[in-house]
Amino acid sequence: GDSVTQMEGPVTLSEEAFLTINCTYTATGYPSLFWYVQYPGEGLQLLLKATKADDKGSNKGFEATYRKETTSFHLEKGSVQVSDSAVYFCALSDRNTPLVFGKGTRLSVIA
Amino acid sequence: DAGVIQSPRHEVTEMGQEVTLRCKPISGHNSLFWYRQTMMRGLELLIYFNNNVPIDDSGMPEDRFSAKMPNASFSTLKIQPSEPRDSAVYFCASSSSLAGSTYGYTFGSGTRLTVV
Repeated sequence: GDSVTQMEGPVTLSEEAFLTINCTYTATGYPSLFWYVQYPGEGLQLLLKATKADDKGSNKGFEATYRKETTSFHLEKGSVQVSDSAVYFCALSDRNTPLVFGKGTRLSVIA
Repeated sequence: DAGVIQSPRHEVTEMGQEVTLRCKPISGHNSLFWYRQTMMRGLELLIYFNNNVPIDDSGMPEDRFSAKMPNASFSTLKIQPSEPRDSAVYFCASSSSLAGSTYGYTFGSGTRLTVV
């Protein structure tokens, strides 16, 4: 079945460092790809998405590009802030079925 | 819109008691999902509904778990009897479609359940 694999955390960075969280997927169809973010004590929120190959999703300084040839959707941010500390989930949807989530990557940003 | 509303936010109960978690989805959303989140297993999809009809409950861990959606604005997840291993954060999410391709899923703030 469809699956998402993302890098294990936790990831600890200093403020203003560059962030990459890797995500790769397996799908039988042509899925849409998503990144969700979960701040402490809250539910998940949609951060960005891409629906076709070479699409770039972006929001709040975060970006991810849909790479069909490498089946990847890595999340990047050029300069992280303490307020970006959260758990990040990569997810896919394929053929109008529920989202399949990765296990999540915890990011801690220290001042 | 107030978003997806879950109640209670926290629940502490004794083993063997019945627990009922409640969810009010966003008006107009026709898909509703119940998730469980633990450190060990991460985020698990328990059951989902489309137009108030349960579509897939294969993620429900045992017969002790049941879920209903009597109308478009309310759903419940019940555990009877509860056990300590049911301790987790339970999330409800709603969406305008099963895949959430356009606007994604909207999650509630969750119910933190502790069974002692």
